[in-house]
Amino acid sequence: AQSVTQPDIHITVSEGASLELRCNYSYGATPYLFWYVQSPGQGLQLLLKYFSGDTLVQGIKGFEAEFKRSQSSFNLRKPSVHWSDAAEYFCAVGPRSGNQFYFGTGTSLTVIP
Amino acid sequence: DGGITQSPKYLFRKEGQNVTLSCEQNLNHDAMYWYRQDPGQGLRLIYYSQIVNDFQKGDIAEGYSVSREKKESFPLTVTSAQKNPTAFYLCASSIPVSGANVLTFGAGSRLTVL
Repeated sequence: AQSVTQPDIHITVSEGASLELRCNYSYGATPYLFWYVQSPGQGLQLLLKYFSGDTLVQGIKGFEAEFKRSQSSFNLRKPSVHWSDAAEYFCAVGPRSGNQFYFGTGTSLTVIP
Repeated sequence: DGGITQSPKYLFRKEGQNVTLSCEQNLNHDAMYWYRQDPGQGLRLIYYSQIVNDFQKGDIAEGYSVSREKKESFPLTVTSAQKNPTAFYLCASSIPVSGANVLTFGAGSRLTVL
């Protein structure tokens, strides 16, 4: 069965510290992978996506993610967190054809000054 | 600017009433989706539509209905049969990018049953 696991429900980091949010997936075929960010009461904004090729992908707002096929992981990273990065982050997988996406339960990020 | 407009932003409903959430997009995307978001549960697919006059049930379609009469519009009706409708509802659309669908989301509608 297809699924996405974000093992960390909540993470707190200090401003300027590095960040890594974990994402593991279970999928029957090679998936397309996504990270989205959601501010309170708002919709989801796409941070980055992986389709194929280079396993390290760059996104907006200074985020990057690395696809590791052997570990079925797609972890999100940022070298230096800003207070404005406080939000909820969702990892998702999507099909190479079709419309059925699977989302993780999200990781809530708190940034302390 | 192109985007997805959801209305209303906040909606209150009495038990037993049907309510309709609006979703309009001007992105010229073919596919549209409705997701439900509850705390700690991520996003769950209610319905999606790939083309006008066609839609498919998602994982939690019971108690919901949709229509797709125009490419730009995909309204969601929450019926009285939905036992626990209080939630945040997200509309999305997609278009293939490099062969894969990429979701674009609206700002959401929060429904509260009184």
